[in-house]
This record gives sequence, C-alpha cells and structure tokens, in this order.
Amino acid sequence: SQQGEEDPQALSIQEGENATMNCSYKTSINNLQWYRQNSGRGLVHLILIRSNEREKHSGRLRVTLDTSKKSSSLLITASRAADTASYFCATDRQETSGSRLTFGEGTQLTVNP
Amino acid sequence: DTGVSQDPRHKITKRGQNVTFRCDPISEHNRLYWYRQTLGQGPEFLTYFQNEAQLEKSRLLSDRFSAERPKGSFSTLEIQRTEQGDSAMYLCASSPYGTGSQYFGPGTRLLVL
Repeated sequence: SQQGEEDPQALSIQEGENATMNCSYKTSINNLQWYRQNSGRGLVHLILIRSNEREKHSGRLRVTLDTSKKSSSLLITASRAADTASYFCATDRQETSGSRLTFGEGTQLTVNP
Repeated sequence: DTGVSQDPRHKITKRGQNVTFRCDPISEHNRLYWYRQTLGQGPEFLTYFQNEAQLEKSRLLSDRFSAERPKGSFSTLEIQRTEQGDSAMYLCASSPYGTGSQYFGPGTRLLVL
C-alpha cells in the first residue's frame, strides 16, 4: 500500500512563483526522498533528508521534515517551465529498512510560461 | 553515461507471451530494485537484490514473475504468460547501500494487447 500522500494532487503556477508540495506518511522512517518524473520517463532523484534532519537545501529546492507530524514539504523557488513534472515523495521505512521505498501518488506541477 | 540503464525502453506483446527486461545498475551499487508503475500512480515495489541474493519479494510479484541477478551485476525480470493487467512501466533502481538514495533507470514500458 502507498504510505506517502502528496498534497496537492495538482498544482498550476506561473513561472517565477514558488511551488510548495507536501507529503504525509504513517510509520517511522530512516529517510525521505523526493523525486521528479517527466511524463513517460524515469524518476530523477532530487534530495534525501534523514530522519534526524529538519531541513535541507539543494539549489532552488528546500525540503523540510517534521517527524512529529510525519510530514515533509518540498519548496521549489523561482519556478521555471522546465520544472513542469510529477513530484513524488518516497519513504525508507524503519520496518523495511533499505529494502524498498514506499511512494505516494505524486503531485503534478505545471509551471506556465 | 554511468547511470542505470534498462532495455528495452518499450515492449508491445500479445497476451500469453513471455517477456524479459534487463537492468544494468550503476557499477559500484550492490543493491538493485524493481518497481512497477501504472498510469497516475507512484511506483510500487516488486523485489530487490543485494549482490546476487534476492532478499525480498512483494506480494505483487505473482508466480508468473521471476527476477534474477546472477553475477551481482545486471538483473533480468521475466513475466510469463503476460496478461493485460501487466501493462505498466517497469522501473529499475540501484543504490550503494541500504538506506541510501535510490537511482532509477528510464524504465521499460510494457503494453500487453
């Protein structure tokens, strides 16, 4: 079953605006990873945040993790049309440590030029 | 390019035929994973290997599915007697260790007619 739940399911913004996507999960985790997927393509790894970390940055990406609320957010600043894609969060759960990632259903982001 | 590669990228087959997909992981990664993704959903775990040992299989992996990683390098996923419900994107990923980032290949899109 899918543990992660992304919110919103779809997001449409103008180029230059910031995009925030949220992810909730149910069980204890080792880490949480965010991926991007362009239509019909494979997944591109964006960032990994460990359970003992609260915030991480990579370029225009900012990820936060709140283990008490079992939630994470992905912020893309100064969005570009090329950021249009589906974004997935995936958890490495403690109970299945290292054996699999559990994905949510994703957020479809559309950045309008 | 030293990323994960998959072959073929696309496969169309008739119901009842057997198909085999290949995955070549990043060379220094000892863990290899197979996932399946249907339209509009996040990837779902199928199975994973540590070196040549298949350590876990999902309940999604019926008896018609078999995966191997004979020398701890590339892996194959075979589906026997394909059914229309097998139509999906089959994704392979690799990682250097259990709780690290997983890096995905471009996927093999299967269509069963």
